[in-house]
Order: sequence, then C-alpha cells, then structure tokens
Amino acid sequence: AQTVTQSQPEMSVQEAETVTLSCTYDTSESNYYLFWYKQPPSRQMILVIRQEAYKQQNATENRFSVNFQKAAKSFSLKISDSQLGDTAMYFCAFMKPFGGSQGNLIFGKGTKLSVKP
Amino acid sequence: GAVVSQHPSRVICKSGTSVKIECRSLDFQATTMFWYRQFPKQSLMLMATSNEGSKATYEQGVEKDKFLINHASLTLSTLTVTSAHPEDSSFYICSARATGTGGYGYTFGSGTRLTVV
Repeated sequence: AQTVTQSQPEMSVQEAETVTLSCTYDTSESNYYLFWYKQPPSRQMILVIRQEAYKQQNATENRFSVNFQKAAKSFSLKISDSQLGDTAMYFCAFMKPFGGSQGNLIFGKGTKLSVKP
Repeated sequence: GAVVSQHPSRVICKSGTSVKIECRSLDFQATTMFWYRQFPKQSLMLMATSNEGSKATYEQGVEKDKFLINHASLTLSTLTVTSAHPEDSSFYICSARATGTGGYGYTFGSGTRLTVV
C-alpha cells in the first residue's frame, strides 16, 4: 500500500523569505501523480502544484516549485517570497493512475505553515 | 475552472436523526466522486468512492449502512449519515474528478461541518 509521510508538523517563515516543506512517499508503482494541496483556515482544499512521475522536469507554478526525486521517493515543496496568505495547512498527496474506481488521493498528515509579518 | 458545490456548509442535528450532504459538480461531469472525513488538526481520510450509476466502494472500517452514498447523476453525489451519533461529528469533504481528465481533475467542495448533539 502507498504511504505519504510529512515529517514537519509545523513550520514558520518570515514574510518574503523562502521555505521548503518535505514529503516522502512509498510505492512500488512506476507511474503515478503527486500533488501539494493547501488548506487555509476556511478549510477549502486548493491545489497548489501537481507532478507526473514520468516527467523528470520539476513542476513550477509561480512562487511554488517542487523538488521531485523519484529514486529517493521525495517530493518537497518550495515556496518563494512567502506571503501572509500562504499561511495554511499543506498536504502532500499521492495518486496512482486510475482505472475503474481507483484514483483516490492518499494524503500525508500535513504541515502547518505560518507566515509571519 | 471546475467548481464543486457542497451543501450544507454547517449542520447541527440531534442524535438519532439522519443528515444528507450534497456534492455537485457545477460545470463538468464527474464519473467519480470521493468522500473524505477530516478530524480536527488531522489529515483527510477517504471514506468511500462514489461512481455514477453503481454502488459506492467503501474503505475498510467505514460502515456502509451508516454512511449511505448515492451517485445518481454525473453531477450529484450525496452522503447520508444515518442515525447520527456524537462520534459522527466531523468535517466531511467531497471531491470530484472530471471525466477523462486523468491526474488533473480533482476539485474539492468547501466541506460540511457536522455536529451531532
């Protein structure tokens, strides 16, 4: 079974600085998807960034980028120029390519990020 | 973009009564929807996978007779908590995957906070 581990329960960063959130996963699959989701106090789950395992290039979305190390099964999220609105819970998630009723997301336990002014 | 509407956002019910939560995909068709439960300061736990026109697939440990799922159309899935008890109090979140979108198409509802008194 797949597992997702986020080893940092809480982190804080000063506004405008850079922070990296860690995520490791365990799978025997060769093809899969990885995601970072953000859950602000409103509790709405928001997709931050997505990575396909077959792509070697790290995904980037504006201030958010990932460091995907497939051999090490590591998928860290880097947030540059942190903003107060980045304060939220961040969940790393794994998904196998789906067929039938599969394709559900497997979440890590989350990292609570606080951006301080 | 894809929008998933979840209602109600908050509900308080008496112990022993039933509560229905709706999850609608507003601008896309969703063959598959997922129902999660989230306890305070914890991650999302998959409860069941809802497939249009067929029976839901429940995760191990989830009582299918207590948590009734119906996915009667490509835009609507409902979760009914039957004979609710205080231990069912939690935050319930649905997500939907647009048909044919592979690893791209997860959109989450805004969640329902259920309190059973």
